[in-house]
Amino acid sequence: RKEVEQDPGPFNVPEGATVAFNCTYSNSASQSFFWYRQDCRKEPKLLMSVYSSGNEDGRFTAQLNRASQYISLLIRDSKLSDSATYLCVVNTNAGKSTFGDGTTLTVKP
Amino acid sequence: DVKVTQSSRYLVKRTGEKVFLECVQDMDHENMFWYRQDPGLGLRLIYFSYDVKMKEKGDIPEGYSVSREKKERFSLILESASTNQTSMYLCASRKGLAGDTQYFGPGTRLTVL
Repeated sequence: RKEVEQDPGPFNVPEGATVAFNCTYSNSASQSFFWYRQDCRKEPKLLMSVYSSGNEDGRFTAQLNRASQYISLLIRDSKLSDSATYLCVVNTNAGKSTFGDGTTLTVKP
Repeated sequence: DVKVTQSSRYLVKRTGEKVFLECVQDMDHENMFWYRQDPGLGLRLIYFSYDVKMKEKGDIPEGYSVSREKKERFSLILESASTNQTSMYLCASRKGLAGDTQYFGPGTRLTVL
């Protein structure tokens, strides 16, 4: 079993749709959590950190459930420009980062 | 602005060649990482370094070595390239340990023939 698992996707949604991605992690010592976005043939870039209380950045909402060991990303009012692969990243307090395999989102007109 | 650069975007080498991939960051970060990314396998950590001359094995260190002689530079070395090392190689840096953001370079797509 992988340490970090994501919905495999792909997710194909129309513009304006709301879409949610989930990610589960197995290491209970995990300390910090992130969502990264990766465009085709580009490097991953930080989308947002995930805080215990949940956090929002515009159309994006991230949540963490430590008890169930999963994090989620909700995208509201999807735009064409949201089409990308979304990577879940989990860090231990020793500094090791483990990446999920990513979920591909395509937003269609 | 944060910047991580990698020496080459595309590289083609022959089996058995020694390959050097270089990464430079200008953010005075302590931690630097080398990953490879393959379809269906995601990003996998090869090696990381938390200080000059310090290195730690990641999940897939076999066939690779690293060097960190200066804080800003982290090199990945393939001592004898093999075809199964054809991949996208991504370098990243991070200021602190767990809670900080990793910043990635643009990647080097290596093909070993």
